[in-house]
Amino acid sequence: QSALTQPASVSGSPGQSITISCTGTSSDVGGYNYVSWYQQHPGKAPKLMIYDVSNRPSGVSNRFSGSKSGNTASLTISGLQAEDEADYYCSSYTSSSSDVVFGGGTKLTVL
Amino acid sequence: EVQLVESGGVVVQPGGSLRLSCAASGFTFDDYTMHWVRQAPGKGLEWVSLISWDGGSTYYADSVKGRFTISRDNSKNSLYLQMNSLRTEDTALYYCAKDMGPGNNWNYVIDYWGQGTLVTVSS
Repeated sequence: QSALTQPASVSGSPGQSITISCTGTSSDVGGYNYVSWYQQHPGKAPKLMIYDVSNRPSGVSNRFSGSKSGNTASLTISGLQAEDEADYYCSSYTSSSSDVVFGGGTKLTVL
Repeated sequence: EVQLVESGGVVVQPGGSLRLSCAASGFTFDDYTMHWVRQAPGKGLEWVSLISWDGGSTYYADSVKGRFTISRDNSKNSLYLQMNSLRTEDTALYYCAKDMGPGNNWNYVIDYWGQGTLVTVSS
């Protein structure tokens, strides 16, 4: 399985908006609405932030939103806060092996 | 409250074997597909395996296929990962994780994660 492609790092100032991309193929991101996003703080387990491309689990701030266009999914965080500084991973179902593939992760720095 | 508690991680020599366990509570265990996901030190997440709610379906990453076996005991609310022919590249924190979709509607979304158990493969 090939990992989905994410930028290694992004940064933004408090109050700004940032977008993290996640690029796959028609066998995963482009072919299905099974894209999820996870937040991971250092030394902690990942936390689900977005599922099925654009749905937020209960308790997740509405500052987090997801979308998809073609083979690329995106996570947007608006009104950036210091606590948003973390690693973010996308994942998708992949029909090439009938399982799950993750992106390489993006480190978000809040300046 | 959903809780997933992994155990069994140790230091093992290359070529060795190990069985990880995960004790689940706070939800109806036999209603949900379960996953193992690993994270090598300083690296990203890598999906390892999943097992359907009834144990009838299992899937593996190519990197572990033929060496690892996932299983579950619904009477004990427990998930397992038997790891054989271990390699140095299997060194990682192994997370037990719950799928969001119930029954046959698993959707490859992980809504709860354990804290992980560390497996180190080294001579």
